[in-house]
Amino acid sequence: LAKTTQPISMDSYEGQEVNITCSHNNIATNDYITWYQQFPSQGPRFIIQGYKTKVTNEVASLFIPADRKSSTLSLPRVSLSDTAVYYCLVPGLDSSYKLIFGSGTRLLVRP
Amino acid sequence: ETGVTQTPRHLVMGMTNKKSLKCEQHLGHNAMYWYKQSAKKPLELMFVYSLEERVENNSVPSRFSPECPNSSHLFLHLHTLQPEDSALYLCASSQDNGDRGSYEQYFGPGTRLTVT
Repeated sequence: LAKTTQPISMDSYEGQEVNITCSHNNIATNDYITWYQQFPSQGPRFIIQGYKTKVTNEVASLFIPADRKSSTLSLPRVSLSDTAVYYCLVPGLDSSYKLIFGSGTRLLVRP
Repeated sequence: ETGVTQTPRHLVMGMTNKKSLKCEQHLGHNAMYWYKQSAKKPLELMFVYSLEERVENNSVPSRFSPECPNSSHLFLHLHTLQPEDSALYLCASSQDNGDRGSYEQYFGPGTRLTVT
């Protein structure tokens, strides 16, 4: 069963770049890696998704090394409103529908 | 506003009650999901429906019974729940294109369930 591991928490300051790394050393060769953001008492919100190398959108970048055993979410110039829990998501090995949410990384952005 | 609505937003029920949670998606997606999020725990996938057929039942107790009458609606019927079932229940939808995990899930705001 594919599993993800992330740091439990991270602290940062406004304007800094934040990098959150997720380990997923047992994903299938054609699996996508997805990151979500969740605020308290709300449903998670899609941030970015990738399969290999680097993906960038208007809010984040996702770096995936060649061995695909990990991925790094990069948030440029964070603000206070980026304080949230960030989840790395991969499909389960036995079923692409069995999506595995890790424990998430609680990011606190300070003024 | 994600295009996925859930009702009710809050629900308090006794252990002998029967209630239902409702989810509706306005995105034209072909897959819908139920998740459970307990305090300080990761989201747990409960059920998945793709093209109105249940494709995943993640070892959920029978006191939770899903129903997907069409691609836009998903229900979770609850009966004889236990206090440990108190949690945030989240519904999501996506467009399943066949690639493993490549679909973006849109989540509703959730139903905060308290079982007394």
